Amino acid sequence: TQLLEQSPQFLSIQEGENLTVYCNSSSVFSSLQWYRQEPGEGPVLLVTVVTGGEVKKLKRLTFQFGDARKDSSLHITAAQPGDTGLYLCAGAGRYAGGTSYGKLTFGQGTILTVHP
Amino acid sequence: DAGVIQSPRHEVTEMGQEVTLRCKPISGHDYLFWYRQTMMRGLELLIYFNNNVPIDDSGMPEDRFSAKMPNASFSTLKIQPSEPRDSAVYFCASSPEFVVYSYEQYFGPGTRLTVT
Repeated sequence: TQLLEQSPQFLSIQEGENLTVYCNSSSVFSSLQWYRQEPGEGPVLLVTVVTGGEVKKLKRLTFQFGDARKDSSLHITAAQPGDTGLYLCAGAGRYAGGTSYGKLTFGQGTILTVHP
Repeated sequence: DAGVIQSPRHEVTEMGQEVTLRCKPISGHDYLFWYRQTMMRGLELLIYFNNNVPIDDSGMPEDRFSAKMPNASFSTLKIQPSEPRDSAVYFCASSPEFVVYSYEQYFGPGTRLTVT
């Protein structure tokens, strides 16, 4: 069973601060995704990383996939109140035919609160 | 596109009653997923379909849970009889045909189920 551990579980910061959320596993993933979820809504995909060591930037958000494809991080620069929400990482296992395609393993999530 | 549509958005029922949750995936998506989200257990995959065929139902907690996908534009998740521990937010998500390492999933707004 593939497990993803996210840390920290809760993060409360002031507007303008930087933060990093971590997603770790002992399993190798073929790709890893980050989602953001706001109260009363479903998760929304932010980014997919595929290659070990890959770095992707989305405005003030920087996503990195570990070299061994077992871990990932999300860094937010100069956080704003609009960044508040639940951040979820999700890993996709190695493709092994119809029984595994599309299955994502989700981490427990990090609840981020950015105070004005 | 309207996105993934779920109904009802909220459901309150008494223990022992039958509950049916509905989902309309994004048109053209070949994969449909049912998830359950709670504070304690996070986001759990219950079952998923490919081209209307159930591929993996290993996450379905008990025989009280059943899911169907009679056609490409409609799926149901039924709980009979319902129990208080089934209270959670249930999400439906859909995904397009396999794109190498993509696995992108698009979530609906969820159904908040409360069983008293």
